[in-house]
Amino acid sequence: EPEVTQTPSHQVTQMGQEVILRCVPISNHLYFYWYRQILGQKVEFLVSFYNNEISEKSEIFDDQFSVERPDGSNFTLKIRSTKLEDSAMYFCASSLQGQGETQYFGPGTRLLVL
Amino acid sequence: KNQVEQSPQSLIILEGKNCTLQCNYTVSPFSNLRWYKQDTGRGPVSLTIMTFSENTKSNGRYTATLDADTKQSSLHITASQLSDSASYICVVTPTSGTYKYIFGTGTRLKVLA
Repeated sequence: EPEVTQTPSHQVTQMGQEVILRCVPISNHLYFYWYRQILGQKVEFLVSFYNNEISEKSEIFDDQFSVERPDGSNFTLKIRSTKLEDSAMYFCASSLQGQGETQYFGPGTRLLVL
Repeated sequence: KNQVEQSPQSLIILEGKNCTLQCNYTVSPFSNLRWYKQDTGRGPVSLTIMTFSENTKSNGRYTATLDADTKQSSLHITASQLSDSASYICVVTPTSGTYKYIFGTGTRLKVLA
């Protein structure tokens, strides 16, 4: 069964450094998402992406964040200058269609900012 | 403000027993309500999906119910197994103008042998 994959599984970085989290969505899906989950808290929406542009973003997704689909398979989340509070599990998800469709989640990347 | 609250926060049961998890939401209107299972350190996996007009949906030993009038949903797990130990998350999708999921606080279930 096709699944969403994410790399790396864990990332440790110094405050102020740039990180890129990578995701390979399910191949025929058209909508892509990033969520994050701070330890012990609920999963929070960051951004949705369709047709090579952001379709929706939350207030968390400020200028430090960016997303890109650099080729036909990868979907990346870049954090330009990491802060301690960016430490979280980051989940990528994809769906075949948009609003209301089931989103399939990847295993997540655990980011630790020191 | 759109909120999804779940109870209990955590639950411990013995293998073979049944349990019911609760979800209260203020998201309105909404198109779908889902229950996801999240194993520790993993991404959420969809268990059930209900539209606002559905009352119940089953998936094996998992049965979800929905009362749109009281804005409550429940997930009933029958004959629990050790592998049911996970967090169970209620997720609501608003009706229009958004793609995002609104996640609940989750219930952490531990099944003991």
